[in-house]
Amino acid sequence: QKEVEQNSGPLSVPEGAIASLNCTYSDRVSQSFFWYRQYSGKSPELIMSIYSNGDKEDGRFTAQLNKASQYVSLLIRDSQPSDSATYLCAVVYNQGGKLIFGQGTELSVKP
Amino acid sequence: NAGVTQTPKFQVLKTGQSMTLQCAQDMNHNSMYWYRQDPGMGLRLIYYSASEGTTDKGEVPNGYNVSRLNKREFSLRLESAAPSQTSVYFCAIISLAAHSYNEQFFGPGTRLTVL
Repeated sequence: QKEVEQNSGPLSVPEGAIASLNCTYSDRVSQSFFWYRQYSGKSPELIMSIYSNGDKEDGRFTAQLNKASQYVSLLIRDSQPSDSATYLCAVVYNQGGKLIFGQGTELSVKP
Repeated sequence: NAGVTQTPKFQVLKTGQSMTLQCAQDMNHNSMYWYRQDPGMGLRLIYYSASEGTTDKGEVPNGYNVSRLNKREFSLRLESAAPSQTSVYFCAIISLAAHSYNEQFFGPGTRLTVL
């Protein structure tokens, strides 16, 4: 089992809809979770971090964490064509410096 | 990619050749990472360095060596390149602490092809 799992997609949503991206992880002691966005041919960029159970909102983005279920998600409200990219979930393992990524979910927002 | 530079940007090698990928940062950051990215595989951690003088293996370290030369530089070496090492390589400085989580920058990547 891969340590961080994401649906590879592609996920297609219409403009203005909510896009929901999901991620599960296997290390029960993980404390730090991150979401990155990567446009085609570019480097990843950090968009959200979350450390506590519950929701964290930043503009149109909401990260949700459930440590009991080992599940973290990213919601994008009012999706725009410019949100079309690959979204990568990352988890810090063993409370150390090891940051492990999922395989990414490709999101396509249709005008 | 502010603050993290990688050289070269592109490289073609023949099987068995060696090369070193260079990464440098000007942000005085302790932690530096090397990842590779293959289609549909996300980013896979090769090695990381939590501080100057320390290095640790990641998910896929076989076939690679690293050197944390000083606080600024973290190099990745392929001693005998194989076609399976064809990939895009990213160097990154990543802060995992809650108070400085946004201090994360990836370099522009090195696109390596091994024939």
